[in-house]
Amino acid sequence: DTAVSQTPKYLVTQMGNDKSIKCEQNLGHDTMYWYKQDSKKFLKIMFSYNNKELIINETVPNRFSPKSPDKAHLNLHINSLELGDSAVYFCASSQQGNEAFFGQGTRLTVV
Amino acid sequence: SQKIEQNSEALNIQEGKTATLTCNYTNYSPAYLQWYRQDPGRGPVFLLLIRENEKEKRKERLKVTFDTTLKQSLFHITASQPADSATYLCALSDSWGKFQFGAGTQVVVTP
Repeated sequence: DTAVSQTPKYLVTQMGNDKSIKCEQNLGHDTMYWYKQDSKKFLKIMFSYNNKELIINETVPNRFSPKSPDKAHLNLHINSLELGDSAVYFCASSQQGNEAFFGQGTRLTVV
Repeated sequence: SQKIEQNSEALNIQEGKTATLTCNYTNYSPAYLQWYRQDPGRGPVFLLLIRENEKEKRKERLKVTFDTTLKQSLFHITASQPADSATYLCALSDSWGKFQFGAGTQVVVTP
């Protein structure tokens, strides 16, 4: 069983479109995250949810909106996609700051 | 502002030797310092966690030291193998679950 799974793995879309990336964890962790890894490979935190509540919201355009229907799921919705949004997006989960488990990543390409 | 610094230059090392990576941080009082491995096209994978009150941790051929006075961690891979070639990420986290990652150091082990 995959601990943290995110879909889709690849996403190619046109500028201006709206898209969603889904993430699920079966580890029973309280905290879930979204990270963006750009072309320089820097892993930057975007959002963190603890028990369905937003606890970290870094400087991210409000076109990005996380949604957590329950503590096992954290989805990322992106409106009006721009070229600069192209990156790999990783979902992760952890329990109280201990080891984080990452999903396989979603490579988003905006054309 | 909080900063985590890792060597940006790749570390080229011969098989059998010890690879030593450095992680320095400023303006941070982490509860945990963690090291992750990332292979191309994959999400980071947890390797080791060391707590703020611990000096050293070992796991198989890996060793981590943590000096909260110097605000530095060293990560050692002993008897390195070509399969150890990857990017290694340092991460700081607190007990609230907030993670911050360094940019990573690429390690290349040649036979």
